[in-house]
Amino acid sequence: GAVVSQHPSRVICKSGTSVKIECRSLDFQATTMFWYRQFPKQSLMLMATSNEGSKATYEQGVEKDKFLINHASLTLSTLTVTSAHPEDSSFYICSASLYDTEAFFGQGTRLTVV
Amino acid sequence: AQTVTQSQPEMSVQEAETVTLSCTYDTSENNYYLFWYKQPPSRQMILVIRQEAYKQQNATENRFSVNFQKAAKSFSLKISDSQLGDTAMYFCAFMNAGTASKLTFGTGTRLQVTL
Repeated sequence: GAVVSQHPSRVICKSGTSVKIECRSLDFQATTMFWYRQFPKQSLMLMATSNEGSKATYEQGVEKDKFLINHASLTLSTLTVTSAHPEDSSFYICSASLYDTEAFFGQGTRLTVV
Repeated sequence: AQTVTQSQPEMSVQEAETVTLSCTYDTSENNYYLFWYKQPPSRQMILVIRQEAYKQQNATENRFSVNFQKAAKSFSLKISDSQLGDTAMYFCAFMNAGTASKLTFGTGTRLQVTL
């Protein structure tokens, strides 16, 4: 089956610093990946659509300057949380599709900003 | 825009019993997919079952089956012979065909399987 790997699984950073999260499709090429955010005991909310070779598409209310997405290759999308603050602490999950009929998820990244 | 509603925030079932989780959705599209995902404490999203909207036959995967009522826009999940390992959050999700698997999730149902 298709495997999506997300790294790191857990990160703690100081307020004001930036953090990069990687999402890789290990055994397939993904022209499109998605980034979701999940607060404790809540559902997954789509943040943005990452498109290989072009700009990401952000959902309404998501600050594109704070959450920078780069999809430079067919197997890698990165999410950079810039100038992180405690309210950015959350669980971030990426997904990618192989045949457009099923999403494969990374393991998620727990971000804590102190 | 699509919406997915799960009206049961929490449910409990005894081991070996059967439980049904409810999900309704709203869409004007005709070609779409519906999913149930399980999220255990590890928070890894695990696909439980998938239903193609064009298929009338309800999907089944071992102890998991769905009741898909397209006209009513209802998509419930039945878990038979519940096991302790089924304890998790369950999310119902909607995907329009041709969107590279962009998902809209419901709010989730926390299922607790007890002895």
